[in-house]
Parts: sequence; C-alpha cells; structure tokens
Amino acid sequence: KQEVTQIPAALSVPEGENLVLNCSFTDSAIYNLQWFRQDPGKGLTSLLLIQSSQREQTSGRLNASLDKSSGRSTLYIAASQPGDSATYLCAVTQGGSEKLVFGKGTKLTVNP
Amino acid sequence: GAGVSQSPSNKVTEKGKDVELRCDPISGHTALYWYRQSLGQGLEFLIYFQGNSAPDKSGLPSDRFSAERTGGSVSTLTIQRTQQEDSAVYLCASTGGLADTQYFGPGTRLTVL
Repeated sequence: KQEVTQIPAALSVPEGENLVLNCSFTDSAIYNLQWFRQDPGKGLTSLLLIQSSQREQTSGRLNASLDKSSGRSTLYIAASQPGDSATYLCAVTQGGSEKLVFGKGTKLTVNP
Repeated sequence: GAGVSQSPSNKVTEKGKDVELRCDPISGHTALYWYRQSLGQGLEFLIYFQGNSAPDKSGLPSDRFSAERTGGSVSTLTIQRTQQEDSAVYLCASTGGLADTQYFGPGTRLTVL
C-alpha cells in the first residue's frame, strides 16, 4: 500500500527566505506526482505536476524535483512571501490506478 | 472557463439522515473523483469515474456511501444514515486525461450532529 509522508508538518519562516518542503513515498511505481496548495477553508490548487519520466518542473518561484527511484520529491520556494502561507500537499498517482494518494501536508507560515 | 463546482458549500444534518452532495466537473473532463478530508486522516480517495467504464469504488468506507455520474457529467455522492464520523470536507476533482492534473472544487463541509 502506497504511503506518502511530508516533512516537516509545519514550518515558519521570515519573508524573503528560500525554503524546501519534502515529500517521500514508499512505492516507486507511480505515474506522476503533484504538489497542491490549500488555503484555509478552500479547495486544492494544483501547483506543479511531474510525470514519472521527468526530474523536475518549474513555475515562477516554485521548483519541484522528483527522484522516483529513491521515492522522494522536494518543492523549492524561492524568495518566500506572506501570500505563500498555506498548507502544501504532495500526492502521487499510482501506476495502474487514477486515484491520488496524499501526504498530510506541510503548513507553511511566512512572516512579514 | 469555469472550474469544478460543488454544492452545497456547507451541510449540517442530524445523525441518521441521508445527504446528497453534488459535483459539476469542468466541461469536457472525462474523469471525476471524490475525496474526503477529515481532521487527523488527511485526504482519502473515495470513488473514481472514467467515461462509461465501471467506477472504481475501492475507497468507499461503507455501503452507506454511494455515488453516481449522470450523462458523463454531474456526479452525486449520497451518504445514507449519516454518522458523526462522516463529518468531513468532501472534495470533488476532474481531469481531462490519463495522469493529467486533477482540478479540485471548493468542497462541501458536512457536519453530522
């Protein structure tokens, strides 16, 4: 059974700092990995999708990497801003299935 | 274009009552998913519809839960004889192709008293 773990559970940083969020998964047979953002009381917003054949994806100040063989992904946020404060969720799509398996998230607070 | 929409946004019900939650996916998306997000449990898969194929119901927690998708578009998740442990946010997502980005709706917050 696929399990996704995110470390740390919570992170507080001052504005302007670069930071890394970590995600690990137990079964490397994945189709893809997605990073989402969730604001309080809201749904999920997709940030980046990395296919299993890819190593990284970039969007603006965000960069996500994937090391499928070791079961790890990182989300790098450059020059963090207070508006980046949210919970960040990592999820994988298992090979042979379409469902997403989620980690429990990292709650990020960026202090002005 | 319009994103995934869900209704109602909030639902409060009494234990033992039945509830229906609705999801309108993005137009043209062939795949639709239901997930549940509860405190301490994180996000859990419930059910998946893809075109005219039989749905993947492997995540439904009990036979009190059912879902249908009419005309390949709108989906309804029904919970019969609700229990307090059913209290959660129910999220719907849709996607246009295999292993593509899943787009989520805002969710329905269900509270069972």
